[in-house]
Amino acid sequence: SQTIHQWPATLVQPVGSPLSLECTVEGTSNPNLYWYRQAAGRGLQLLFYSVGIGQISSEVPQNLSASRPQDRQFILSSKKLLLSDSGFYLCAWSVQGPTKVAQHFGDGTRLSIL
Amino acid sequence: GQQVMQIPQYQHVQEGEDFTTYCNSSTTLSNIQWYKQRPGGHPVFLIQLVKSGEVKKQKRLTFQYGEKKKNSSLHITATQTTDVGTYFCAGGGNKLVFGAGTILRVKS
Repeated sequence: SQTIHQWPATLVQPVGSPLSLECTVEGTSNPNLYWYRQAAGRGLQLLFYSVGIGQISSEVPQNLSASRPQDRQFILSSKKLLLSDSGFYLCAWSVQGPTKVAQHFGDGTRLSIL
Repeated sequence: GQQVMQIPQYQHVQEGEDFTTYCNSSTTLSNIQWYKQRPGGHPVFLIQLVKSGEVKKQKRLTFQYGEKKKNSSLHITATQTTDVGTYFCAGGGNKLVFGAGTILRVKS
């Protein structure tokens, strides 16, 4: 069966520090991968998605970047965090194709910027 | 760009009462999905609707897709405390656009 791992679960970082969040998927090949941010009590904002290694689409101009160095690895990064980067970051995967597009989420990372 | 609106934002019901959340899109959607997020958890896929006018049921949950594929609803019959959480609709294909969600609280 497929599983998705996301870490760390919680993170407290000072303003101006770098960030690296990692997400890996097991049990499937060539998945679509996604990074979302969820503000407290709000909906999900799509940040990045990837359909293959090295292919990244950015949805919102911001202080963050994403990379996909391997088929089942997706990394969210920042060189200098801002206070506004606080939130709940969720990684998700889906099977490629027009019919099976349900997204499966990891447990998320709660990021607090001080 | 495509927008998906969801109402109400929040609903507090007595256990045993029914609950409905509505989802509307500014454009026709190729499909619509529903997710549930328990407090402190991550969204979990519930169902996908593809056909115009489609109705699907999962136990006490009934999902409907509008004839013009621009709106959808989720109805829960006789809510239970296990139903608490935020219900999201999302439209589109590989790249989903999520609604803001409806937070459901159930008083026992």
